[in-house]
Amino acid sequence: GAVVSQHPSRVICKSGTSVKIECRSLDFQATTMFWYRQFPKKSLMLMATSNEGSKATYEQGVEKDKFLINHASLTLSTLTVTSAHPEDSSFYICSARQLASSYEQYFGPGTRLTVT
Amino acid sequence: AQKITQTQPGMFVQEKEAVTLDCTYDTSDPSYGLFWYKQPSSGEMIFLIYQGSYDQQNATEGRYSLNFQKARKSANLVISASQLGDSAMYFCAMREGDSGGSNYKLTFGKGTLLTVNP
Repeated sequence: GAVVSQHPSRVICKSGTSVKIECRSLDFQATTMFWYRQFPKKSLMLMATSNEGSKATYEQGVEKDKFLINHASLTLSTLTVTSAHPEDSSFYICSARQLASSYEQYFGPGTRLTVT
Repeated sequence: AQKITQTQPGMFVQEKEAVTLDCTYDTSDPSYGLFWYKQPSSGEMIFLIYQGSYDQQNATEGRYSLNFQKARKSANLVISASQLGDSAMYFCAMREGDSGGSNYKLTFGKGTLLTVNP
């Protein structure tokens, strides 16, 4: 099956610093990748949709200057949390859609970000 | 209005018994897809089953089946012969629009925490 990886799986950073999270599709090309945020015991909230080679589309209420998304290739998308604050602490999950029309999104294992 | 409603915050089931997790949805789009995902404590999202709005038959995948009642806008997940490893959070999700379209966002429900007792 299709595999999506995320790196790092856990990261702790200090307030004011930036942290980058990578999402890779390992065995398929992903035209579209999605970034979700999940608070403890809560549902997944879509943050943005990124298409390879174009600007990401952000959901309402998501600060695009704070959550920078780059989808430089068909197998890699990155989410950079800039000037992180403790309220940015969360579980970030990416998913990827295959090049061919498919009803499935393949999810990465998630990245737990803690901002101290 | 919420697009996906899961009314059961938590459910308990005895091992080897069947359990139904409820999901209702709201959309005016005639083309949509419904998904169920399992999220164990490790956090990964595991795809379980999919039902398209035009599918005539209820979807089944091993011990998972989807009770699709289109007129009632419900898509309940049935897990047969529950196992201890089924204990996890279960999310219902919906994609509105055609699967080949460019807009392929998933909207998730709040989830149901299933606990399987030995």
